[in-house]
Amino acid sequence: EVQLVESGGAVVQPGGSLRLSCVASGFTFEHYNMYWVRHPPGKSLEWVSLISGDSIRRTYKDSVKGRFTISRDNSKNSLHLQMDSLKTEDSALYYCVKSGGATGHIDYWGQGTLVTVSS
Amino acid sequence: SYVLTQPPSVSVAPGKTARITCGGNNIGSQSVHWYQQKPGQAPVLVIYYDDDRPSGIPERFSGSNSGNTATLTISRVEGGDEADYYCQIWYSTTDHVIFGGGTKLTVL
Repeated sequence: EVQLVESGGAVVQPGGSLRLSCVASGFTFEHYNMYWVRHPPGKSLEWVSLISGDSIRRTYKDSVKGRFTISRDNSKNSLHLQMDSLKTEDSALYYCVKSGGATGHIDYWGQGTLVTVSS
Repeated sequence: SYVLTQPPSVSVAPGKTARITCGGNNIGSQSVHWYQQKPGQAPVLVIYYDDDRPSGIPERFSGSNSGNTATLTISRVEGGDEADYYCQIWYSTTDHVIFGGGTKLTVL
């Protein structure tokens, strides 16, 4: 059974930093692209970042580029998102998700970890 | 940047057919995926590769994609289908994942 378990969400002041983590199980982690997707309260789903299985490809939503860094450790089946210079608009439930195939659909979602950026 | 446009809301009576559209420039050349999200829950994939259903998704859910519009069709709508629905593509030009703005399906 595929499981994705996120951690690291917290309340942080604007300009602060957080590191989100996700531990994956139930599949061959290194074979799949992984994403972070967020859901701001009352708004729509937003893709945040993508990392390929070999970590060569890393892409970001324009509004987080230069502030967020995605990484993975295939030896530990873990995915991370380092978030710096946080803004109030980064407040959201952050999901760790697994890409299911070449055209990028998401076949598994974690339960999410909540990030609140507030003074 | 590529934009996917969905109607904010769709209403349908039980037993009828709901159609939720997802518009984008030549979206017919993309593979479109659809998710159902109920309050307090993570999204669930209901259609992938335009018209494939994951195991466990009822046959009442189907998809199509042509020209500038992709469509999620839910036949014989039930109260349990009430949820937010999102379309999504992977845009290879920028290697970005793109979601539509979401459609709230209300069962009357």
